[in-house]
Amino acid sequence: DARVTQTPRHKVTEMGQEVTMRCQPILGHNTVFWYRQTMMQGLELLAYFRNRAPLDDSGMPKDRFSAEMPDATLATLKIQPSEPRDSAVYFCASGLLSTGLGEQYFGPGTRLTVT
Amino acid sequence: KNQVEQSPQSLIILEGKNCTLQCNYTVSPFSNLRWYKQDTGRGPVSLTIMTFSENTKSNGRYTATLDADTKQSSLHITASQLSDSASYICVNSGGYQKVTFGTGTKLQVIP
Repeated sequence: DARVTQTPRHKVTEMGQEVTMRCQPILGHNTVFWYRQTMMQGLELLAYFRNRAPLDDSGMPKDRFSAEMPDATLATLKIQPSEPRDSAVYFCASGLLSTGLGEQYFGPGTRLTVT
Repeated sequence: KNQVEQSPQSLIILEGKNCTLQCNYTVSPFSNLRWYKQDTGRGPVSLTIMTFSENTKSNGRYTATLDADTKQSSLHITASQLSDSASYICVNSGGYQKVTFGTGTKLQVIP
């Protein structure tokens, strides 16, 4: 049963600290997405990769957020420095673009709280 | 501006009853329209995906419809179960995997 995995599941940190969230996409998938979900805004696309190359990160605050795919089995989302307004659930999703319809499979999310 | 609006914002129904959730979208260009179910504390799970040429698609007790002319979609749930309690999110995709999410309808099924 292939699944997207994310670590950590929960993270509480103080304002100003660096936060790194990790995602392992489903093996063989060639697209990876990072989303942020809050009660007020719902789900927002932050960035996505295809074949490990960043295609769009226009939804991401560039001054503090960075997303990378060091290899095909790992995607990272880093926030430095973190701020209380970054508190949200961060989801990673992966998909296989060749299917044409772009089905995305979501991980369980990382719940981030910045105090 | 691309928008996906869902209604109602929340809904409570009795177990066994049917319900219909609505989604209006303005995304252009249009690639596909998806419905996701999100249980509390979990990631969204895909229910249906439709291209602009499809007007209905079913997944068990879930049936989605699409009217590309009016840019409206609906998700009909038949014979609701307690496990249907969740948020249902309508998602419109443009080209290159650009996605616009609705804010969701929170459904609560009560015994």
